Amino acid sequence: DVKVTQSSRYLVKRTGEKVFLECVQDMDHENMFWYRQDPGLGLRLIYFSYDVKMKEKGDIPEGYSVSREKKERFSLILESASTNQTSMYLCASSRTGLNSPLHFGNGTRLTVT
Amino acid sequence: KQEVTQIPAALSVPEGENLVLNCSFTDSAIYNLQWFRQDPGKGLTSLLLIQSSQREQTSGRLNASLDKSSGRSTLYIAASQPGDSATYLCAVKNDGSYQLTFGKGTKLSVIP
Repeated sequence: DVKVTQSSRYLVKRTGEKVFLECVQDMDHENMFWYRQDPGLGLRLIYFSYDVKMKEKGDIPEGYSVSREKKERFSLILESASTNQTSMYLCASSRTGLNSPLHFGNGTRLTVT
Repeated sequence: KQEVTQIPAALSVPEGENLVLNCSFTDSAIYNLQWFRQDPGKGLTSLLLIQSSQREQTSGRLNASLDKSSGRSTLYIAASQPGDSATYLCAVKNDGSYQLTFGKGTKLSVIP
């Protein structure tokens, strides 16, 4: 079974802090994704990566950056956390191939105060 | 721009009932459609993926159908159980895209 692991389930940070959210997958998947999920807005794509050191902006990249130095690890960085970045963050991965299903981690609930 | 709609937003049924969840999308140029389940405070679990050339997929008590030309998919759950209570989301992948467009989900409650 595919396992996508997010390093923290809950995180509380202060406004202005730099925040790192880590995601690791164990199935050698080429593609990795970061989403945020908010009530009433659903899931929105922040960034994705289809290969090591490659990244593409999703629908809402502002205020975020990402890093993919190794195939199995995809990090989301909040350069200067703000209260409107309080959300559930979900990491996902999939194989190359447009018919490969997406597999999600359990999410990180981030609160910025 | 692709839009995915799931109606109703919430559904409550008695245990043992068969039920259908609906998903509609505006752009029929899709590559596939995927159904997910999400338990409270957790990530999404992939249930079924239907390729655009397929009409349906089955897994246990779940059956998903796809009518690409009309922009609709249904998820049929047979003999519902309290453990089926969760939010069900559908998502479509458009031709030539890495991205999925998600619906906002249907929250299902199965009452014992």
